[in-house]
Amino acid sequence: ETGVTQSPTHLIKTRGQQVTLRCSSQSGHNTVSWYQQALGQGPQFIFQYYREEENGRGNFPPRFSGLQFPNYSSELNVNALELDDSALYLCASSLQPGNEQFFGPGTRLTVL
Amino acid sequence: TQLLEQSPQFLSIQEGENLTVYCNSSSVFSSLQWYRQEPGEGPVLLVTVVTGGEVKKLKRLTFQFGDARKDSSLHITAAQPGDTGLYLCAVVASNSNSGYALNFGKGTSLLVTP
Repeated sequence: ETGVTQSPTHLIKTRGQQVTLRCSSQSGHNTVSWYQQALGQGPQFIFQYYREEENGRGNFPPRFSGLQFPNYSSELNVNALELDDSALYLCASSLQPGNEQFFGPGTRLTVL
Repeated sequence: TQLLEQSPQFLSIQEGENLTVYCNSSSVFSSLQWYRQEPGEGPVLLVTVVTGGEVKKLKRLTFQFGDARKDSSLHITAAQPGDTGLYLCAVVASNSNSGYALNFGKGTSLLVTP
């Protein structure tokens, strides 16, 4: 059974650019959550998708947006990148909302 | 305001020593989770504690949930280099805005040297 995978592993962008991060959920999981983990911090919840619909959102501005596809994979899009967006972006999938979340290895985003 | 306060922030010990890390809050929780995150990886769930006063053991790791369900501790006996990592506590926030979001503390970064 394949676990949660994320791509790319690392990414370097400049201020003002846009970025798309991708996540493949674990087999059979229909829920995907995204988290931002700044250096020295715990992960912060961005949003959750359940069966292609947004199921909850944390305290992040609208330039953070997402999608979930029919195969339950997901994308995180960030527009107008700022220096403070530099972080590890984690994706987690679960069988259902409220079930145990299984995390991927993350995408390290650096904004210069 | 951080919902979960973890202490200490950093801990560097030698192999064989014992240690305890803490997760505190002024709020009451129905359950609390502990995760370990190794460099270059996502967090991995170690345990979920549910009942006030509950003690759970996972090999050399002992987890306790406070009687009032506001705090928790993780004790490691005879630490090994493989225990090195970031230990995070988390609670599930369940409401109409956040869905089933995990709220994490900042973590305790543990380094065990041979």
